[in-house]
Amino acid sequence: EAGVTQSPTHLIKTRGQQATLRCSPISGHTSVYWYQQALGLGLQFLLWYDEGEERNRGNFPPRFSGRQFPNYSSELNVNALELEDSALYLCASSYRDTNTEAFFGQGTRLTVV
Amino acid sequence: QQQVKQSPQSLIVQKGGISIINCAYENTAFDYFPWYQQFPGKGPALLIAIRPDVSEKKEGRFTISFNKSAKQFSLHIMDSQPGDSATYFCAALTQGGSEKLVFGKGTKLTVNP
Repeated sequence: EAGVTQSPTHLIKTRGQQATLRCSPISGHTSVYWYQQALGLGLQFLLWYDEGEERNRGNFPPRFSGRQFPNYSSELNVNALELEDSALYLCASSYRDTNTEAFFGQGTRLTVV
Repeated sequence: QQQVKQSPQSLIVQKGGISIINCAYENTAFDYFPWYQQFPGKGPALLIAIRPDVSEKKEGRFTISFNKSAKQFSLHIMDSQPGDSATYFCAALTQGGSEKLVFGKGTKLTVNP
């Protein structure tokens, strides 16, 4: 069974540009979570999608947004990139009613220059 | 506001020794406490988890101790091995609530041969 897959693995953008990160959950999982892992700050919750809807978002500005598609894959968009957005962005998925068993992908390393 | 405080930030242990990582939480609504293990270049992987109705859970060399009254929980790694060298994150969750995992800042464990 394939795990959570994220693309691209690495992404380099210029300040002010937009970045799009993609996540494919484990087959059968309907919930997708996005986390930002910046150096020294641990994992910060960004967004939670389930059944195509945004269920919760963390303390991030509106330029961080996303969506979940009918096949439960998800996209994270970061607009007007700032240098401090450089981080590892992790996606996790789980079944809706057992979200405790969340499985992470390997992440997308976003570098803003 | 950091809801889960983790210590130490880094830990060096000799092979065969016991590694102990501590976490403290503030939100009494948390009812699920997982530990994740992350190797460089990989996403976090669920290692072991506990619910507040038990005081200890053991899986192989890994044990979680939970003190509900003190709002603290800890991970013990017995007979630590060089292959255990990784970053460990504690986390907490309220099921049925916002369902987002709140992570500690992580502990980088190095096990020397």
